[in-house]
Amino acid sequence: DAMVIQNPRYQVTQFGKPVTLSCSQTLNHNVMYWYQQKSSQAPKLLFHYYDKDFNNEADTPDNFQSRRPNTSFCFLDIRSPGLGDAAMYLCATSGGTADVEHTEAFFGQGTRLTVV
Amino acid sequence: GQNIDQPTEMTATEGAIVQINCTYQTSGFNGLFWYQQHAGEAPTFLSYNVLDGLEEKGRFSSFLSRSKGYSYLLLKELQMKDSASYLCAVMDSNYQLIWGAGTKLIIKP
Repeated sequence: DAMVIQNPRYQVTQFGKPVTLSCSQTLNHNVMYWYQQKSSQAPKLLFHYYDKDFNNEADTPDNFQSRRPNTSFCFLDIRSPGLGDAAMYLCATSGGTADVEHTEAFFGQGTRLTVV
Repeated sequence: GQNIDQPTEMTATEGAIVQINCTYQTSGFNGLFWYQQHAGEAPTFLSYNVLDGLEEKGRFSSFLSRSKGYSYLLLKELQMKDSASYLCAVMDSNYQLIWGAGTKLIIKP
């Protein structure tokens, strides 16, 4: 059973046209992450939520926004996609808290975004 | 700054053994993870080390030396399906994952 689900798997959008990527989880994890990964590079953290607390990475462009309406769902909004935003976008969850010894990140299958 | 280093690419032969190294410098340490990532797919969890020593899981083993800031992933009895990128990631003092760029492993018959 899929535990972290991303939709769609492949998304084609026009240059400058807003696009939303979605992620849902059945793990009831309190932490959700959005990563951007370009070919042969490490995943780059864009932002993460600890419950409803939003944490934006300092170098995440303003063009990228996120929403987490409830524990299960998280959205990535790209307001005006540029050609450089073409990448794989990965959603991940973890059950992490300061008291939990460790919890690995569970990834969705990713959404490959193409900008034309 | 925080840094994870691993080789960019390695080649090995089907049936053989390969060791992928990872060195790290991070703000604090709350464990080291290895992930496997096939082309075009999301990373999948392989192993976790937080104490020094070797963790064995079937054909895959992972080793950690915290004093040296060093880990390796050992893959035995290589199969063609093991061709993938292997990502090393360290959880820092803020429980954030710091990722290496990955090692692309090519398996030849």
